[in-house]
Amino acid sequence: ELKVEQNPLFLSMQEGKNYTIYCNYSTTSDRLYWYRQDPGKSLESLFVLLSNGAVKQEGRLMASLDTKARLSTLHITAAVHDLSATYFCAVNMEYGNKLVFGAGTILRVKS
Amino acid sequence: NAGVTQTPKFRILKIGQSMTLQCTQDMNHNYMYWYRQDPGMGLKLIYYSVGAGITDKGEVPNGYNVSRSTTEDFPLRLELAAPSQTSVYFCASSSNTRLAGVRQFFGPGTRLTVL
Repeated sequence: ELKVEQNPLFLSMQEGKNYTIYCNYSTTSDRLYWYRQDPGKSLESLFVLLSNGAVKQEGRLMASLDTKARLSTLHITAAVHDLSATYFCAVNMEYGNKLVFGAGTILRVKS
Repeated sequence: NAGVTQTPKFRILKIGQSMTLQCTQDMNHNYMYWYRQDPGMGLKLIYYSVGAGITDKGEVPNGYNVSRSTTEDFPLRLELAAPSQTSVYFCASSSNTRLAGVRQFFGPGTRLTVL
């Protein structure tokens, strides 16, 4: 059974600081997705990582995938208040079209 | 493109009542999914479908039913509502492409309260 673990589950950080959210998964997969959810809203796709070593960047966010370590990271550079949200990683089971989601990381950026 | 639409946005049910949550997508995606999200938690898969006429159970199917008669629509039926079904329900759809894998697109959600 595929398990996806995120840490930390809650992150409070100051504006301008850097930090990394980690996403570990338990079985072989080379497809990983990051989503953002604002309070009371739906999930918005951020990044699609489809191979070992994949790196994607959008603004102050950068995501990477290491399939050998079964690990993805979401790095935040010089955080701003607008990045406050919940971030989910999701892993595609090796065969099939289902995603298994992590529990989410609540990010609060303080001025 | 409206993407994935869900109705209603909010609903309050009494224990034992039934209702159908509607989900429609206009992206011609083969795959559709229903999730529930409890407060402060991640998403749990209720049911999914890989095409019209084909559905399968997810992680938490008890108390729910689905059907998929068309590519566009994937309604979720709650029979005999219970307080444990109080949650936010998200519908999602995806295709399976070389560039985007099975990236799922989510609807706005239905917030359901069972009293």
